Amino acid sequence: EADIYQTPRYLVIGTGKKITLECSQTMGHDKMYWYQQDPGMELHLIHYSYGVNSTEKGDLSSESTVSRIRTEHFPLTLESARPSHTSQYLCASRKGQYNEQFFGPGTRLTVL
Amino acid sequence: GQQLNQSPQSMFIQEGEDVSMNCTSSSIFNTWLWYKQEPGEGPVLLIALYKAGELTSNGRLTAQFGITRKDSFLNISASIPSDVGIYFCAGQLPGTYKYIFGTGTRLKVLA
Repeated sequence: EADIYQTPRYLVIGTGKKITLECSQTMGHDKMYWYQQDPGMELHLIHYSYGVNSTEKGDLSSESTVSRIRTEHFPLTLESARPSHTSQYLCASRKGQYNEQFFGPGTRLTVL
Repeated sequence: GQQLNQSPQSMFIQEGEDVSMNCTSSSIFNTWLWYKQEPGEGPVLLIALYKAGELTSNGRLTAQFGITRKDSFLNISASIPSDVGIYFCAGQLPGTYKYIFGTGTRLKVLA
């Protein structure tokens, strides 16, 4: 059983607002990931982290940024939200030598 | 870039029937993961496969890592209504920490 948490679960905001999506895991996993998923569609990697102070952009271009100051915490920030950012954002983590990746419940973002 | 082709795209089956779905790619992967996702939730890991030819079961679910390392399949036996959801495969690219996801198989079970 994986313990990975995302807040908020749902967010509706106006265009131009700055938002931060929170992701935390209590398993001590060093690798963490952010995916973007439109309803019922495949997942696209937007950011990942090997460990503290180590982040990389994924395959899908994203205007978001991430930080990894603590092992357990991997927040994603949008400086100025736009309607094109409307999507579900999923956070995941895995332990270094194991290949199993576990997901949080997701944040459904709607930008008006 | 790498792509994972997952089929079928959707399935409507009767309760009690067996289900089979697969993922294929032109790329080699060193791990295959199979997930189930329900509406409004994150994907839940069902089965992980680590080496070519490996066959692994989890209850009524059975998955295999293809010999060529470019494909994998998932079988669900004696389906029940709670099997409804979207099933995704994911392959880990060798030498990286990145996963590529399939396009999903939408399963609906008719009671």
